[in-house]
Amino acid sequence: AQSVTQPDIHITVSEGASLELRCNYSYGATPYLFWYVQSPGQGLQLLLKYFSGDTLVQGIKGFEAEFKRSQSSFNLRKPSVHWSDAAEYFCAVGGGSGNTGKLIFGQGTTLQVKP
Amino acid sequence: GAVVSQHPSWVICKSGTSVKIECRSLDFQATTMFWYRQFPKQSLMLMATSNEGSKATYEQGVEKDKFLINHASLTLSTLTVTSAHPEDSSFYICSARVQGLGGNQPQHFGDGTRLSIL
Repeated sequence: AQSVTQPDIHITVSEGASLELRCNYSYGATPYLFWYVQSPGQGLQLLLKYFSGDTLVQGIKGFEAEFKRSQSSFNLRKPSVHWSDAAEYFCAVGGGSGNTGKLIFGQGTTLQVKP
Repeated sequence: GAVVSQHPSWVICKSGTSVKIECRSLDFQATTMFWYRQFPKQSLMLMATSNEGSKATYEQGVEKDKFLINHASLTLSTLTVTSAHPEDSSFYICSARVQGLGGNQPQHFGDGTRLSIL
């Protein structure tokens, strides 16, 4: 079955510390992978995406993610977290043959940033 | 680029009324738009895929007659919640994909609509 798992429901880090949000997926075809961020009461903003090529992708706001096929993972990282990064983060997977554009979302990880 | 506008952002209405939510792609054409529902502290639940000029494709368990979707142009899709009741209260979010650039285009999201039924 196709699925996305974000093992950490809630993460708290201190401002300036590094961050890694985990994402594991199960997908029967070549996955297209995405990370989105959602602030309270808002829609989702695309942080970065992976389709093919270099497995380390750079996104907006200083985020990056690494695709590891052998581990079925697409973890999101940031070297130094800012207070404004506090939000909900969603990993999503889509793609494959006959792609309808539908995405499968993970459960989300809430990031809290301590001063 | 790739801006999606959703309107209204917040609506409160009485039980039994119908509510229409609009989703517009402002600077691109979108043959496909998606409608999601999100409960507090939860992930997005796909309700339906809206295709321009054809009937929407609903996910299992979503009532077609309850949630009417119209995608009349390449930049506008609407979701109408008919005869809304308190259990329909939720956060509804739309998204759109850029037309004609292959299957790997990301979805771009609107800012959502908070629907409260009294």
